[in-house]
Amino acid sequence: GAVVSQHPSWVICKSGTSVKIECRSLDFQATTMFWYRQFPKQSLMLMATSNEGSKATYEQGVEKDKFLINHASLTLSTLTVTSAHPEDSSFYICSARGPGSSTDTQYFGPGTRLTVL
Amino acid sequence: GENVEQHPSTLSVQEGDSAVIKCTYSDSASNYFPWYKQELGKRPQLIIDIRSNVGEKKDQRIAVTLNKTAKHFSLHITETQPEDSAVYFCAAQTNSGYALNFGKGTSLLVTP
Repeated sequence: GAVVSQHPSWVICKSGTSVKIECRSLDFQATTMFWYRQFPKQSLMLMATSNEGSKATYEQGVEKDKFLINHASLTLSTLTVTSAHPEDSSFYICSARGPGSSTDTQYFGPGTRLTVL
Repeated sequence: GENVEQHPSTLSVQEGDSAVIKCTYSDSASNYFPWYKQELGKRPQLIIDIRSNVGEKKDQRIAVTLNKTAKHFSLHITETQPEDSAVYFCAAQTNSGYALNFGKGTSLLVTP
């Protein structure tokens, strides 16, 4: 149980285009999902907290107009990188708070490798 | 906000030896401390966690200890195996927002 999927697993795009990444909780409902960014050999940096039915909460330094987050249902959150540039190339990982008594636990998606040319 | 420090950044041990990774946190309101294992290019996998009302937790070869007074917690892996080689992250979470603050990670190498 508590499986989180992400799509796509990797994407290559041209500079200036927008890319949408989906995060789904497959076997549980997640009122809260999180988006992280990870550069090579570095830690996970929280970008934003996504709450179903409300606006996302962004961490300091993360541009909300550039990284659009939508959490339209209890099983789906999306991250759209708008007008992507090479410096946005990174590994983007989502997580979802666990179901029931495991609400502290976060389960991670497999990540999306974004390369912007 | 919460600041999590993790040491060492790299750790090399021989198969069968024990490995210890230590983390400290700054926010006394933190009450949940998970440890994740991440292999190259893959998702972080929860290996063990501990809540602030518990001082120690063990799961087979893996154990975590928590000292709330000193605000530090540690991961202990006994009888290490080559497949334990990975990057390990500690994290701390407060009730507010439930976001995780991660340490910088420890790259563990277990040599046969």
